[in-house]
Formats: sequence, C-alpha cells, structure tokens
Amino acid sequence: DVQMTQSPSSLSASVGDTINISCQASQDISNHLNWYQLKTGKVPKLLISDASILETGVPSRFSGSGSGTDFLLTINSLQPEDIGTYYCQQYAFLPLTFGPGTKADMK
Amino acid sequence: QVQLVQSGAEVIKPGASVKVACKASGYTFTSYAMHWVRQAPGQRLEWMAWVNSANGNRKYSQKFQGRVTLTGDASASTAYMQLSSLRSEDTAVYYCARDRDGKAMDVWGQGTTVIVSS
Repeated sequence: DVQMTQSPSSLSASVGDTINISCQASQDISNHLNWYQLKTGKVPKLLISDASILETGVPSRFSGSGSGTDFLLTINSLQPEDIGTYYCQQYAFLPLTFGPGTKADMK
Repeated sequence: QVQLVQSGAEVIKPGASVKVACKASGYTFTSYAMHWVRQAPGQRLEWMAWVNSANGNRKYSQKFQGRVTLTGDASASTAYMQLSSLRSEDTAVYYCARDRDGKAMDVWGQGTTVIVSS
C-alpha cells in the first residue's frame, strides 16, 4: 500500500497568516493526489484534485502543488472559517490511502 | 443540489452486522460510482470499498474483503454498505462519497456513527 505522511500534524496560526501543509507519498504517484477539509459537524469537502486543481467554489487562497512523492497545500491569508483538519489522499494505486491529517486552528 | 444523506447512528453488539444507507439526490445515481470510507476515533480516514452504481462492479480494500457487502437500489437512488462480524475496532464514522472520474471523492455524506459495544 502507498503510505501517506503529512506535516505538521497540527498548527496554530493567526488570521492573515500563510500556512503550508506538506504531504509525502511512499512511492511516485505522479499528480494523483487530492486534498480534503474536514470540519466538526460539517460534510467533508474536496478542496483540490490532481494535486493543483482548485474545486469550483473553493476560495482562491487555497492552492496545491507538487508531483511524484512531495506535495504541498498552501492557504494564503488564513481565515477563521479555515479551522479544520486537512487530509491528502492518493488515487494512483489501490487501496486508496489518506494521510494522517493536519489539524489547523487559530491562535 | 447534489447531496448524499446517510442513515442514522447505530449501536451494534460485537459479532453482529450493520447496514448503512446513503441516499443520493440532485444527480443521476447510476452515472457515478460510490466510495465508502471510515474514520475511527483518533485515526485517519480509511478507504473501504468502491462500487460502480451502473453495473455493480466492486473493488475492496483487502482489509475488509469478506466482511463488507456493497449493494444499491437504483430506483431509490440509494447505496448500502453492510459490514459483518463487527468488533470494537469497527467503531467509527462511516461515510459514503461520490466518485468523480475515478479520481476524487467530490460529494460526501454527513457520516454515520457506528458504535460496537456489548
């Protein structure tokens, strides 16, 4: 199975900060990577597909980059509604696998 | 709007089975496959299985093969996931999620909490 790791496991930032979440795959997955946001009491949300394609309706402060084994989710100008846990997920190989998540909260 | 609405929380005894329903609306049910994903307390999301809603083809995580059964009722736009021989480690929130082009899970249900306890 493709092992996914993320760093940091948690972060605390202020409104307006830029945050970066790293995701690493245990083998080359090309650009076959998605990012999801999970918030308490809300339905999980797809943010970015194919490593860098922003979903319709997702604010442009979110961006994704990377290919191969190393990927990055960036949130520019963090907003209070961005509090939640972010997961990367690869779809290059079955079984589909997720990272352990990065919990983001406000200082 | 496109949405998936799942059945309510369940408390199940060890060794028994649970069946979770996922009702789709706002799109043609048979045009999209469906994934099932779970999240145990303090754990990461875990992919369980996938079903082609049009032809019934299924793919399973080896971890759940033999214990999970995916079915569907196209006339009711509803997908079902049954997990058998439940044990305490199966306590989790179970999600259905629509598959987009074999790449992403673009619409998710609200989750169904399953607690396995005697």
